[in-house]
Amino acid sequence: QVQLVQSGAEVKKPGASVRVSCKGSGYTFTKYGISWVRQAPGQGLEWMGWISPYNGHTSDAKKFQGRVTMTTDISTNTTYMELRNLRSDDTAVYYCARDVMAATVNWFDPWGQGTLVTVSS
Amino acid sequence: SSELTQDPAVSVALGQTVRITCQGDSLRSFYASWYQQKPGQAPILVIYGKNNRPSGIPDRFSGSSSGNTASLTITGAQADDEADYYCNSRDSSVNHLNYVFGTGTKVTVL
Repeated sequence: QVQLVQSGAEVKKPGASVRVSCKGSGYTFTKYGISWVRQAPGQGLEWMGWISPYNGHTSDAKKFQGRVTMTTDISTNTTYMELRNLRSDDTAVYYCARDVMAATVNWFDPWGQGTLVTVSS
Repeated sequence: SSELTQDPAVSVALGQTVRITCQGDSLRSFYASWYQQKPGQAPILVIYGKNNRPSGIPDRFSGSSSGNTASLTITGAQADDEADYYCNSRDSSVNHLNYVFGTGTKVTVL
């Protein structure tokens, strides 16, 4: 079955960086983009950015530009999201999701299980 | 960038019908997709496009769209439908790929 499996929980200090991985299986990895979405405790979903595993092209939400880098390793069907200069308000569950695009609609399916990143001194 | 606005919370009696709405300018150009999220779990896709359900999603879930508003309807709500629901669409206000999520609606089944 189509599945995305993410790396485990992380605890980081303010100012540090975190890298979360997302490994796809059960489909042709280069055929679909991967979006990253985060959810702070008790808050809603926030889209962070997208990467094409096919060619490595990315698009980031304005809020994260300059702080986030997404990369992909097609030899292992894995996408990475690195967030730098962490602050306490970056504490959140980070999700990857397969991004399926058509002309006038997109959808995220499936989602990874989520990775809790805690930023605390 | 665009925004998508949802009512914070709605309640529905068991077996009755509830409609959740999502409003935003981007919905005039793009269809919404809808996600169900239960506490401590990752979101799952329930509706995408004009009115498409992924396999495994019950047919009591349906979608519609008109103007700047997308709607998710649960016909014959079950206790298992109690969850947060989020809409999402591409952002039509920018030239590059950008997505926006709705503010989320908590559905309580009474």
